[in-house]
Amino acid sequence: GAGVSQSPSNKVTEKGKDVELRCDPISGHTALYWYRQSLGQGLEFLIYFQGNSAPDKSGLPSDRFSAERTGGSVSTLTIQRTQQEDSAVYLCASSLADGVEAFFGQGTRLTVV
Amino acid sequence: AQSVTQLDSQVPVFEEAPVELRCNYSSSVSVYLFWYVQYPNQGLQLLLKYLSGSTLVKGINGFEAEFNKSQTSFHLRKPSVHISDTAEYFCAVSESGAGSYQLTFGKGTKLSVIP
Repeated sequence: GAGVSQSPSNKVTEKGKDVELRCDPISGHTALYWYRQSLGQGLEFLIYFQGNSAPDKSGLPSDRFSAERTGGSVSTLTIQRTQQEDSAVYLCASSLADGVEAFFGQGTRLTVV
Repeated sequence: AQSVTQLDSQVPVFEEAPVELRCNYSSSVSVYLFWYVQYPNQGLQLLLKYLSGSTLVKGINGFEAEFNKSQTSFHLRKPSVHISDTAEYFCAVSESGAGSYQLTFGKGTKLSVIP
């Protein structure tokens, strides 16, 4: 597709369940970022992938959060044992190798009940 | 580390009036500066960016911003707003030449254009 695609667009889950959020970056973009947007914290960086390099996980809030990127393309963000404070919009962005301009997907709205 | 302060959380303005959304940043290193717009239930769309060169940057939809290094500011302006400009605007910075261009965002300013 032409832009960054995220799925699902909305996800409601019960507290304690695991969830997986998917991001399809723009073709040819080697850099991929995950951000979280919540009412209390605004937009926060979570994790960064660049090509085959080790990801920068410095923004992950706890060890319940993990992400992987298969084949240098699609990425999955996994949240284990979800908590109510995990409710937020999770945004994915991708960019070319020089990384300056990031293109964002429309996000996944996660609600933990 | 960088930080971004958007001084106004909400800005109401009448249609066809000018608007300025304020942004100040703090960083110990050189930065790139960005403004993004977010319409309801949408992702973020880049309005404009400052990388280097001319401090006056023009973006999409008639917006412009001026980088002021001495005041560490990057205020966004539009001379005449339209109803369709109603959205939330985010100022962001990234460290220049870092390899990882992760963005640090301000808290956002909600612009409401009043007919």
